[in-house]
Amino acid sequence: ILNVEQSPQSLHVQEGDSTNFTCSFPSSNFYALHWYRWETAKSPEALFVMTLNGDEKKKGQISATLNTKEGYSYLYIKGSQPEDSATYLCALYTGGGNKLTFGTGTQLKVEL
Amino acid sequence: DAGITQSPRHKVTETGTPVTLRCHQTENHRYMYWYRQDPGHGLRLIHYSYGVKDTDKGEVSDGYSVSRSKTEDFLLTLESATSSQTSVYFCAASTGYEQYFGPGTRLTVT
Repeated sequence: ILNVEQSPQSLHVQEGDSTNFTCSFPSSNFYALHWYRWETAKSPEALFVMTLNGDEKKKGQISATLNTKEGYSYLYIKGSQPEDSATYLCALYTGGGNKLTFGTGTQLKVEL
Repeated sequence: DAGITQSPRHKVTETGTPVTLRCHQTENHRYMYWYRQDPGHGLRLIHYSYGVKDTDKGEVSDGYSVSRSKTEDFLLTLESATSSQTSVYFCAASTGYEQYFGPGTRLTVT
Protein backbone atom coordinates (compact mmCIF):
# COMPACT_ATOMS: atom_id res chain seq x y z
CA ILE A 1 0.00 0.00 0.00
CA LEU A 2 1.40 3.38 -1.01
CA ASN A 3 1.87 6.02 1.64
CA VAL A 4 0.67 9.45 0.57
CA GLU A 5 1.05 11.95 3.39
CA GLN A 6 -0.36 15.42 3.72
CA SER A 7 0.54 18.14 6.18
CA PRO A 8 -0.67 19.90 8.10
CA GLN A 9 -3.81 17.96 8.97
CA SER A 10 -5.73 21.19 9.53
CA LEU A 11 -5.14 24.89 9.22
CA HIS A 12 -7.01 27.98 10.42
CA VAL A 13 -6.10 31.26 8.73
CA GLN A 14 -7.54 34.74 8.51
CA GLU A 15 -9.08 36.15 5.37
CA GLY A 16 -6.34 37.56 3.15
CA ASP A 17 -3.61 35.26 4.50
CA SER A 18 -1.61 33.18 2.07
CA THR A 19 -1.11 29.56 2.94
CA ASN A 20 0.45 26.38 1.64
CA PHE A 21 0.23 22.66 2.28
CA THR A 22 2.41 19.70 1.44
CA CYS A 23 1.78 16.32 -0.14
CA SER A 24 4.58 13.73 0.15
CA PHE A 25 4.73 10.48 -1.78
CA PRO A 26 7.17 7.73 -2.78
CA SER A 27 9.14 9.05 -5.74
CA SER A 28 9.47 5.70 -7.51
CA ASN A 29 6.90 4.56 -10.12
CA PHE A 30 5.43 8.03 -10.42
CA TYR A 31 2.85 8.72 -13.13
CA ALA A 32 0.75 11.64 -11.94
CA LEU A 33 -0.34 13.58 -8.89
CA HIS A 34 -3.82 14.98 -8.44
CA TRP A 35 -5.10 17.76 -6.19
CA TYR A 36 -8.77 17.78 -5.28
CA ARG A 37 -10.85 20.33 -3.42
CA TRP A 38 -13.55 18.90 -1.20
CA GLU A 39 -16.17 21.10 0.38
CA THR A 40 -18.26 19.82 3.26
CA ALA A 41 -21.36 17.90 2.14
CA LYS A 42 -20.20 17.92 -1.48
CA SER A 43 -18.10 15.58 -3.60
CA PRO A 44 -14.40 16.08 -4.37
CA GLU A 45 -13.63 18.25 -7.38
CA ALA A 46 -10.41 18.08 -9.35
CA LEU A 47 -8.09 21.09 -9.16
CA PHE A 48 -4.94 19.94 -10.92
CA VAL A 49 -3.35 16.92 -12.51
CA MET A 50 0.45 17.14 -12.52
CA THR A 51 2.68 14.76 -14.40
CA LEU A 52 6.13 16.25 -14.96
CA ASN A 53 8.89 17.10 -12.53
CA GLY A 54 8.91 20.86 -12.11
CA ASP A 55 5.27 21.22 -13.19
CA GLU A 56 3.53 24.33 -11.98
CA LYS A 57 -0.21 24.74 -12.32
CA LYS A 58 -2.42 27.70 -11.47
CA LYS A 59 -6.15 28.27 -11.19
CA GLY A 60 -7.12 31.72 -9.92
CA GLN A 61 -5.37 32.29 -6.61
CA ILE A 62 -4.50 28.60 -6.17
CA SER A 63 -1.28 27.15 -7.55
CA ALA A 64 0.66 23.93 -7.19
CA THR A 65 4.20 22.73 -7.80
CA LEU A 66 5.60 19.24 -8.22
CA ASN A 67 8.98 17.67 -7.41
CA THR A 68 8.95 14.02 -8.46
CA LYS A 69 12.61 13.40 -7.63
CA GLU A 70 12.17 14.20 -3.96
CA GLY A 71 8.53 13.11 -3.83
CA TYR A 72 6.51 16.16 -2.85
CA SER A 73 3.99 18.68 -4.13
CA TYR A 74 3.00 22.03 -2.65
CA LEU A 75 -0.39 23.68 -2.95
CA TYR A 76 -0.47 27.45 -2.42
CA ILE A 77 -3.44 29.71 -1.86
CA LYS A 78 -2.74 33.41 -2.17
CA GLY A 79 -5.02 35.76 -0.26
CA SER A 80 -7.36 33.12 1.22
CA GLN A 81 -11.09 33.82 1.23
CA PRO A 82 -13.80 32.15 3.34
CA GLU A 83 -15.01 30.33 0.22
CA ASP A 84 -11.60 28.61 0.05
CA SER A 85 -12.53 26.73 3.22
CA ALA A 86 -12.47 23.04 2.26
CA THR A 87 -10.42 19.89 2.58
CA TYR A 88 -7.64 19.68 0.02
CA LEU A 89 -6.74 16.16 -1.02
CA CYS A 90 -3.79 14.96 -3.00
CA ALA A 91 -3.81 11.58 -4.74
CA LEU A 92 -1.10 9.58 -6.43
CA TYR A 93 -1.72 7.81 -9.70
CA THR A 94 0.68 4.95 -10.35
CA GLY A 95 -0.89 3.48 -13.46
CA GLY A 96 -2.08 0.14 -12.13
CA GLY A 97 -5.81 -0.27 -12.80
CA ASN A 98 -6.17 3.49 -13.23
CA LYS A 99 -6.33 3.79 -9.45
CA LEU A 100 -5.60 6.72 -7.17
CA THR A 101 -4.19 6.52 -3.65
CA PHE A 102 -5.41 9.45 -1.60
CA GLY A 103 -3.76 11.28 1.26
CA THR A 104 -5.85 12.07 4.33
CA GLY A 105 -6.23 15.70 3.35
CA THR A 106 -5.55 19.15 4.79
CA GLN A 107 -8.63 20.82 6.21
CA LEU A 108 -8.49 24.58 5.65
CA LYS A 109 -10.73 27.03 7.47
CA VAL A 110 -10.55 30.68 6.46
CA GLU A 111 -12.07 33.03 9.02
CA LEU A 112 -13.25 36.61 8.57
CA ASP B 1 -21.89 17.97 -13.14
CA ALA B 2 -19.95 14.81 -14.06
CA GLY B 3 -23.11 12.79 -14.72
CA ILE B 4 -22.64 10.49 -11.72
CA THR B 5 -25.50 9.73 -9.40
CA GLN B 6 -25.71 7.52 -6.34
CA SER B 7 -28.71 5.92 -4.72
CA PRO B 8 -29.83 5.95 -2.06
CA ARG B 9 -28.28 9.15 -0.69
CA HIS B 10 -28.97 8.19 2.90
CA LYS B 11 -29.70 4.84 4.45
CA VAL B 12 -30.08 3.48 7.95
CA THR B 13 -29.98 -0.27 8.31
CA GLU B 14 -29.60 -2.87 11.01
CA THR B 15 -26.60 -5.06 11.67
CA GLY B 16 -26.75 -8.28 9.69
CA THR B 17 -28.96 -7.04 6.86
CA PRO B 18 -27.80 -6.93 3.24
CA VAL B 19 -27.42 -3.51 1.62
CA THR B 20 -26.83 -2.54 -2.00
CA LEU B 21 -25.66 0.88 -3.09
CA ARG B 22 -25.97 1.93 -6.70
CA CYS B 23 -23.74 4.17 -8.79
CA HIS B 24 -24.92 5.32 -12.21
CA GLN B 25 -22.90 7.29 -14.79
CA THR B 26 -23.95 8.77 -18.10
CA GLU B 27 -20.54 9.58 -19.64
CA ASN B 28 -19.53 6.09 -20.75
CA HIS B 29 -16.44 6.03 -18.51
CA ARG B 30 -14.54 2.77 -18.60
CA TYR B 31 -13.38 2.74 -14.99
CA MET B 32 -15.57 2.97 -11.90
CA TYR B 33 -14.67 2.96 -8.23
CA TRP B 34 -16.19 2.69 -4.78
CA TYR B 35 -14.54 4.52 -1.88
CA ARG B 36 -15.41 4.95 1.75
CA GLN B 37 -14.65 8.12 3.65
CA ASP B 38 -13.94 7.99 7.37
CA PRO B 39 -12.46 10.60 9.71
CA GLY B 40 -8.67 10.39 9.79
CA HIS B 41 -8.52 8.09 6.76
CA GLY B 42 -9.49 10.24 3.80
CA LEU B 43 -10.82 8.22 0.88
CA ARG B 44 -10.04 4.53 0.80
CA LEU B 45 -10.68 2.34 -2.22
CA ILE B 46 -13.05 -0.59 -1.66
CA HIS B 47 -13.38 -2.08 -5.15
CA TYR B 48 -12.97 -0.87 -8.67
CA SER B 49 -13.99 -1.92 -12.16
CA TYR B 50 -12.04 -1.64 -15.40
CA GLY B 51 -14.87 -2.77 -17.64
CA VAL B 52 -18.15 -4.65 -17.74
CA LYS B 53 -17.83 -7.72 -15.52
CA ASP B 54 -14.19 -6.83 -14.76
CA THR B 55 -13.65 -5.88 -11.14
CA ASP B 56 -10.87 -6.02 -8.60
CA LYS B 57 -10.32 -5.45 -4.91
CA GLY B 58 -9.07 -2.26 -3.40
CA GLU B 59 -7.47 -1.45 -0.08
CA VAL B 60 -10.49 -2.21 2.17
CA SER B 61 -12.54 -4.83 0.32
CA ASP B 62 -13.38 -7.24 3.18
CA GLY B 63 -17.15 -7.46 3.71
CA TYR B 64 -17.97 -5.88 0.35
CA SER B 65 -18.73 -7.22 -3.11
CA VAL B 66 -19.39 -5.43 -6.38
CA SER B 67 -20.95 -6.08 -9.74
CA ARG B 68 -20.89 -4.30 -13.06
CA SER B 69 -23.24 -5.78 -15.64
CA LYS B 70 -23.52 -2.58 -17.69
CA THR B 71 -21.04 0.20 -18.40
CA GLU B 72 -23.21 2.76 -16.65
CA ASP B 73 -23.95 0.91 -13.39
CA PHE B 74 -21.65 -0.20 -10.58
CA LEU B 75 -23.24 -1.81 -7.54
CA LEU B 76 -21.70 -2.15 -4.09
CA THR B 77 -23.15 -4.82 -1.80
CA LEU B 78 -22.65 -5.30 1.90
CA GLU B 79 -23.71 -8.92 2.33
CA SER B 80 -24.25 -8.60 6.07
CA ALA B 81 -23.81 -5.05 7.31
CA THR B 82 -21.76 -4.37 10.43
CA SER B 83 -21.42 -1.22 12.52
CA SER B 84 -17.84 -0.78 11.24
CA GLN B 85 -19.33 -0.22 7.79
CA THR B 86 -21.07 2.96 8.92
CA SER B 87 -19.48 5.51 6.62
CA VAL B 88 -19.96 7.82 3.67
CA TYR B 89 -19.56 5.96 0.40
CA PHE B 90 -18.43 7.71 -2.76
CA CYS B 91 -18.56 6.38 -6.26
CA ALA B 92 -16.21 7.70 -8.95
CA ALA B 93 -15.69 7.14 -12.65
CA SER B 94 -12.86 7.87 -15.04
CA THR B 95 -11.57 7.40 -18.53
CA GLY B 96 -8.10 8.95 -18.21
CA TYR B 97 -6.25 10.29 -15.23
CA GLU B 98 -9.03 12.33 -13.67
CA GLN B 99 -11.72 10.75 -11.53
CA TYR B 100 -15.17 12.28 -11.24
CA PHE B 101 -17.10 11.74 -8.05
CA GLY B 102 -20.73 11.17 -7.21
CA PRO B 103 -22.49 13.01 -4.37
CA GLY B 104 -21.98 10.26 -1.79
CA THR B 105 -24.22 7.93 0.20
CA ARG B 106 -24.33 8.18 3.97
CA LEU B 107 -24.86 4.71 5.42
CA THR B 108 -25.56 4.13 9.09
CA VAL B 109 -25.56 0.58 10.46
CA THR B 110 -27.25 0.35 13.87
